Amino acid sequence: EDKVVQSPLSLVVHEGDTVTLNCSYEVTNFRSLLWYKQEKKAPTFLFMLTSSGIEKKSGRLSSILDKKELSSILNITATQTGDSAIYLCAVDNGAGSYQLTFGKGTKLSVIP
Amino acid sequence: DAMVIQNPRYQVTQFGKPVTLSCSQTLNHNVMYWYQQKSSQAPKLLFHYYDKDFNNEADTPDNFQSRRPNTSFCFLDIRSPGLGDAAMYLCATSRDVIRSSAAYEQYFGPGTRLTVT
Repeated sequence: EDKVVQSPLSLVVHEGDTVTLNCSYEVTNFRSLLWYKQEKKAPTFLFMLTSSGIEKKSGRLSSILDKKELSSILNITATQTGDSAIYLCAVDNGAGSYQLTFGKGTKLSVIP
Repeated sequence: DAMVIQNPRYQVTQFGKPVTLSCSQTLNHNVMYWYQQKSSQAPKLLFHYYDKDFNNEADTPDNFQSRRPNTSFCFLDIRSPGLGDAAMYLCATSRDVIRSSAAYEQYFGPGTRLTVT
């Protein structure tokens, strides 16, 4: 059974801290790994990673995939209270079906 | 702006009373999905449409049905809601992944939060 595990499940940091969120996966056919940010509404897309070792960056957020270790990390530098959200990792198993397998998410709380 | 729209945003229904949630998209995507997300859990795929081709997940209860009358609209029907069906229901769309060699991303609507009383 395909599985995506995120850690930690929740995290509390102070504004200005740097955080690293982890995602590991076990899927039969890997095509891509996606990161989403979910506030009090639906997930919004952050990154899609398909190749190992290539960092994707958007402002203070960055992410990288390690296919050898079957994992990815999402880094947020100089955190702000607006970064408080649940961060979801999902893997596209690309097996001809269209299902993304999601992890349970990491709940990040950034306190002033 | 191209987007995925869900209505209503909040729905309250009574135990056993049928309810329909709607989703529309202006992205012209071939694929549309319905997810159920309960508190503190990952979104769980219920079913998806590739054009008009309906694909049900094996563990989706029969109580959940879907219709896609055209490319833009998709409906989720819950025939007899139970208390355990209270959740956020997310609609998402994606491009035609078979014809595209690139991996795809899913675009989500804002969700409908269903309460069952």
